[in-house]
Amino acid sequence: DAKTTQPNSMESNEEEPVHLPCNHSTISGTDYIHWYRQLPSQGPEYVIHGLTSNVNNRMASLAIAEDRKSSTLILHRATLRDAAVYYCILRAYNAGNMLTFGGGTRLMVKP
Amino acid sequence: DGGITQSPKYLFRKEGQNVTLSCEQNLNHDAMYWYRQDPGQGLRLIYYSQIVNDFQKGDIAEGYSVSREKKESFPLTVTSAQKNPTAFYLCASSITATGGYTFGSGTRLTVV
Repeated sequence: DAKTTQPNSMESNEEEPVHLPCNHSTISGTDYIHWYRQLPSQGPEYVIHGLTSNVNNRMASLAIAEDRKSSTLILHRATLRDAAVYYCILRAYNAGNMLTFGGGTRLMVKP
Repeated sequence: DGGITQSPKYLFRKEGQNVTLSCEQNLNHDAMYWYRQDPGQGLRLIYYSQIVNDFQKGDIAEGYSVSREKKESFPLTVTSAQKNPTAFYLCASSITATGGYTFGSGTRLTVV
């Protein structure tokens, strides 16, 4: 399975934008890039996913590099409720559609 | 509202006993999954099922068993053969395509 690399932790100030990076240099052409976040003692929550083009939804934006070897999850205005562990995951289209979770990035938001 | 229900939220069992964790979804999703999470760690796949009456082992299936008799239900049994069963267990479902997963709120199992 293609792997992802994320920083262990990041800090942000409330109401400022946050850019969470993810490297996936061995990504294959059919791998979708998924982002999930997990608050303490809760199940992960789907955030966004994409294949090649940048994607926007009500929660965040996903910027995908042209060579697809990296991506960035963008939270436009961080709130205290955005403090969570963010997982960047590659989902193979033809491999049972399973998600393989890595360690993720723990985002801390300071008031 | 559609979603995934895991019950109970907290479960305590004595060592050597089998225990079954419930997972029900009303999203009409074909695929369902069980993950285990240990403190400070990511999620690890135990079992998954892409269709009724069929399931596959994940990365850490030893000591666990599942069934998928109905599309809506995917119960997980933690058997006495599982050496370190105390963990946070998460159930998820997805449409078998490229969409996102929906997770339940988890069951925290403590074996004493």
